[in-house]
Amino acid sequence: DAMVIQNPRYQVTQFGKPVTLSCSQTLNHNVMYWYQQKSSQAPKLLFHYYDKDFNNEADTPDNFQSRRPNTSFCFLDIRSPGLGDAAMYLCATSRGQTYEQYFGPGTRLTVT
Amino acid sequence: AQSVTQPDIHITVSEGASLELRCNYSYGATPYLFWYVQSPGQGLQLLLKYFSGDTLVQGIKGFEAEFKRSQSSFNLRKPSVHWSDAAEYFCAVGAETGANNLFFGTGTRLTVIP
Repeated sequence: DAMVIQNPRYQVTQFGKPVTLSCSQTLNHNVMYWYQQKSSQAPKLLFHYYDKDFNNEADTPDNFQSRRPNTSFCFLDIRSPGLGDAAMYLCATSRGQTYEQYFGPGTRLTVT
Repeated sequence: AQSVTQPDIHITVSEGASLELRCNYSYGATPYLFWYVQSPGQGLQLLLKYFSGDTLVQGIKGFEAEFKRSQSSFNLRKPSVHWSDAAEYFCAVGAETGANNLFFGTGTRLTVIP
């Protein structure tokens, strides 16, 4: 089945230690998104790639970066994680301007 | 600016009872509206969507939602709830600016009791 895959499902990192979260998709969608979802809150869009074009949300901290080396893969890099960055990170994809987004299972990040 | 309000933080229903989850939106034009469901520790799954046309939309798992422009609402309904429906439900609206951006409500947590 076509899907959105996130690895790892659970990630523990130390305060200030860089961490990378991975997302891959077999849907061949040209748009990929990263959301941050803190406990009991709505998902918040961090940024998205439309093909190779990177679109950062205005209030996304500089600590968060992303890479998309090809259509299938997208990475979320947190350069210096703080305790406030502990959250579920959701990857999603869509085909063009359709708004219908398909989500992966998420990676739960713990910062110690 | 667009926004979504889900007035009910937590709802408890008995298995077999009917369900209605409320969603109100603020948007300057015809909205694109969605309901997603999230089971504990999982990602979001699309239940249904409204883009245009028939204001009553059918989704997966027996859910439906009705778009009411006069009330700026897009409430989710199910005639008979199953224990497996216990989850977090998010309403979302397509953004005015930028491609594809979705704005989510804060969610309604559904508990189903036997």
